[in-house]
Amino acid sequence: AQTVTQSQPEMSVQEAETVTLSCTYDTSESDYYLFWYKQPPSRQMILVIRQEAYKQQNATENRFSVNFQKAAKSFSLKISDSQLGDAAMYFCAYRRSDYQLIWGAGTKLIIKP
Amino acid sequence: DAGVIQSPRHEVTEMGQEVTLRCKPISGHNSLFWYRQTMMRGLELLIYFNNNVPIDDSGMPEDRFSAKMPNASFSTLKIQPSEPRDSAVYFCASSLEVSLETQYFGPGTRLLVL
Repeated sequence: AQTVTQSQPEMSVQEAETVTLSCTYDTSESDYYLFWYKQPPSRQMILVIRQEAYKQQNATENRFSVNFQKAAKSFSLKISDSQLGDAAMYFCAYRRSDYQLIWGAGTKLIIKP
Repeated sequence: DAGVIQSPRHEVTEMGQEVTLRCKPISGHNSLFWYRQTMMRGLELLIYFNNNVPIDDSGMPEDRFSAKMPNASFSTLKIQPSEPRDSAVYFCASSLEVSLETQYFGPGTRLLVL
């Protein structure tokens, strides 16, 4: 069975600095998708970035980028130039072949002004 | 475009009462997912539909929970009778059938059962 592990329950970063959130997963599938979702205090789940496993190029979305290491089954999220609005819970998720999402436990990101 | 719409946003009810949560997926999306989020168990998939048909309801906790999708633009999740342990945030998400890789979430319904 697939599993997703986020080993950092909480991270803090100074405003304008860069922070990296870790995620590892376990699967025997070769083709899959990985996601980072953000959940601010409003509780809404917001898609941050996604990565197709067959693509070697790391996905980027403005200040957000991933470091996807397929062999190591690692999918970390880098946030550059951190802003106060980035404060949230961040969830890593793996999409199974039957389209279900397997979720990590989440990392709480604190931005220090 | 409007995103996934859920109602109500907040619901407070007494144990034993029936609760109905509603969801309108993004127009054109053919897959719909119901999730429950609690501190103890994180995000759990309850059920998902494809083309209005329930595909996997193995996550539905027990017979008190039921979900329907009478048409492509509306789904309900019903709890009858409700119990305090059902208190959670319930999310609805939808995705395109042809590119099911991305699920778009609604704002959630925060349910409190007293």
